[in-house]
Amino acid sequence: ETGVTQSPTHLIKTRGQQVTLRCSSQSGHNTVSWYQQALGQGPQFIFQYYREEENGRGNFPPRFSGLQFPNYSSELNVNALELDDSALYLCASHLRAGGNNEQFFGPGTRLTVL
Amino acid sequence: GESVGLHLPTLSVQEGDNSIINCAYSNSASDYFIWYKQESGKGPQFIIDIRSNMDKRQGQRVTVLLNKTVKHLSLQIAATQPGDSAVYFCAEILPGGSEKLVFGKGTKLTVNP
Repeated sequence: ETGVTQSPTHLIKTRGQQVTLRCSSQSGHNTVSWYQQALGQGPQFIFQYYREEENGRGNFPPRFSGLQFPNYSSELNVNALELDDSALYLCASHLRAGGNNEQFFGPGTRLTVL
Repeated sequence: GESVGLHLPTLSVQEGDNSIINCAYSNSASDYFIWYKQESGKGPQFIIDIRSNMDKRQGQRVTVLLNKTVKHLSLQIAATQPGDSAVYFCAEILPGGSEKLVFGKGTKLTVNP
């Protein structure tokens, strides 16, 4: 098991609602990335946070937003939920230093939008 | 667009056999590749990585081979065990400093006793 934790484990929302997912990075890591994994697919990069700022973004609309806190934990917020937002949301952390790109994933939050 | 893909969606092997999982990538400038294992209900777990200045890297029971000429990556698992049953993803990091992982669709490995 990695030291990355996510909450909640599962979540059910309805269309139009807003959701906040949380991630605690592994001790010593300063960078957090969020990925969306649809059923049967590989994870898709949403965005990355480093030093509390967004550092790279994938092909996701602005209603996907995030935060990183001074302790390096992070939140993913999704507004105006759509049915297609149903997926496993994964958080990964790593130490952005010296070319070490090994990212450690949390167990994910399973979001279901009805 | 996304550049990493896999040749086969499923692979079934007998316990004790060696497994080979393949991956093709399209961005010749990618400089870092990782193999992840994902078990049902869990997040991806790092298996092994390789940088573009290497052709081969070995870990415990696993070997990754990188062929830059044909942009091909493979994961070899020796003496496959039932606990190796999972979905395996290759991922690459594109140049440019964003450090985002680009994943393929995955290969589901089933190990038969």
